[in-house]
Amino acid sequence: AQSVTQPDIHITVSEGASLELRCNYSYGATPYLFWYVQSPGQGLQLLLKYFSGDTLVQGIKGFEAEFKRSQSSFNLRKPSVHWSDAAEYFCAVGAGTGGFKTIFGAGTRLFVKA
Amino acid sequence: GAGVSQSPSNKVTEKGKDVELRCDPISGHTALYWYRQSLGQGLEFLIYFQGNSAPDKSGLPSDRFSAERTGGSVSTLTIQRTQQEDSAVYLCASSFGRDHEQYFGPGTRLTVT
Repeated sequence: AQSVTQPDIHITVSEGASLELRCNYSYGATPYLFWYVQSPGQGLQLLLKYFSGDTLVQGIKGFEAEFKRSQSSFNLRKPSVHWSDAAEYFCAVGAGTGGFKTIFGAGTRLFVKA
Repeated sequence: GAGVSQSPSNKVTEKGKDVELRCDPISGHTALYWYRQSLGQGLEFLIYFQGNSAPDKSGLPSDRFSAERTGGSVSTLTIQRTQQEDSAVYLCASSFGRDHEQYFGPGTRLTVT
């Protein structure tokens, strides 16, 4: 069965420091991969997605992610974190027939300290 | 409307009662999804509808849960004989297709007492 693992329940980084959020997936074929962010009191917003092609994808708000098939990973990165990046981040995989069934990870809560 | 809307925003019900949650997707979106988010948890896939295809109900936790989508637009998620473990935020999302962004509604917070 498809699954998504986000090993870190929460991460704290200093403002201006770099960030990497880990995501590992389990799926038999090349999946559709997504990162969403959920800010306090706000809905979920797509940061970036990967379907095929260049394995390094750029997203909004300065985020990027790299698909590594050999490691079944799709880690999210940002070179310099801003206080406004504090939020919950979800990795997701689109699987099943047609790729519509979207399985989300448990999320990683990011805290940013001044 | 400009985005996905859900109603009601909050619902408190007694154990054993039935509830209906409504989702109005973005006009023109062919795919519609329902998720459940329990406190401090990730999103749990429940069901999706895509065009005129049969919905994928594989995520529904029990036969007390059902959903329909009328006219390819509005969707209703029904929970019969609610239990306390059904308490959660129920999120609806819509998209143009599998490789397009899912736009999420604000959710319905369901509390079963």
